[in-house]
Amino acid sequence: DTAVSQTPKYLVTQMGNDKSIKCEQNLGHDTMYWYKQDSKKFLKIMFSYNNKELIINETVPNRFSPKSPDKAHLNLHINSLELGDSAVYFCASSRQLNQPQHFGDGTRLSIL
Amino acid sequence: AQTVTQSQPEMSVQEAETVTLSCTYDTSESDYYLFWYKQPPSRQMILVIRQEAYKQQNATENRFSVNFQKAAKSFSLKISDSQLGDAAMYFCAYRGNNAGNMLTFGGGTRLMVKP
Repeated sequence: DTAVSQTPKYLVTQMGNDKSIKCEQNLGHDTMYWYKQDSKKFLKIMFSYNNKELIINETVPNRFSPKSPDKAHLNLHINSLELGDSAVYFCASSRQLNQPQHFGDGTRLSIL
Repeated sequence: AQTVTQSQPEMSVQEAETVTLSCTYDTSESDYYLFWYKQPPSRQMILVIRQEAYKQQNATENRFSVNFQKAAKSFSLKISDSQLGDAAMYFCAYRGNNAGNMLTFGGGTRLMVKP
């Protein structure tokens, strides 16, 4: 069974559209994260939720809105997509904040 | 702010040989964690090894070991008996021990393994 699963794996869409990426973890972890990996492979934290509450929101445009309906899910919704949003987005989870993070397989978002 | 630097964008190693990937970091904290993640072409991020800063003993996981030099703020990864499946991007990552501290990643090192 996949521990951290993201859907879809690939997302190709046009500028200006709104899209969502879903993330689910079946590890019973309290904390979930979203990372963005750009074309140069740099990985940067975007958000972190602990027990469904937002605890970290890095400098991310407000077009990005995370939603955590429960501890096992952290979805990422993106409004008015721009070319610069093209990247691989990784979801991750950890038991608590000071525990190792387990990553999903990533979602490659391509904006046309 | 913490920074993590991987000065080797690419490395190559002959199969069965040993290779060392470098990582340095900058922090004012005394207690923190360091990690090496592997990202194969399949794009998964796989935790390879972790090190707690308060432990003097270097972490080891099978063929993977680290050389942790706290005073020098250095955290290198040694891969022994390299295998073709080791070919991947390797990311060094830092995490402080305070609540809310996230992983800070280095820029990555691409490791190629020659048969």
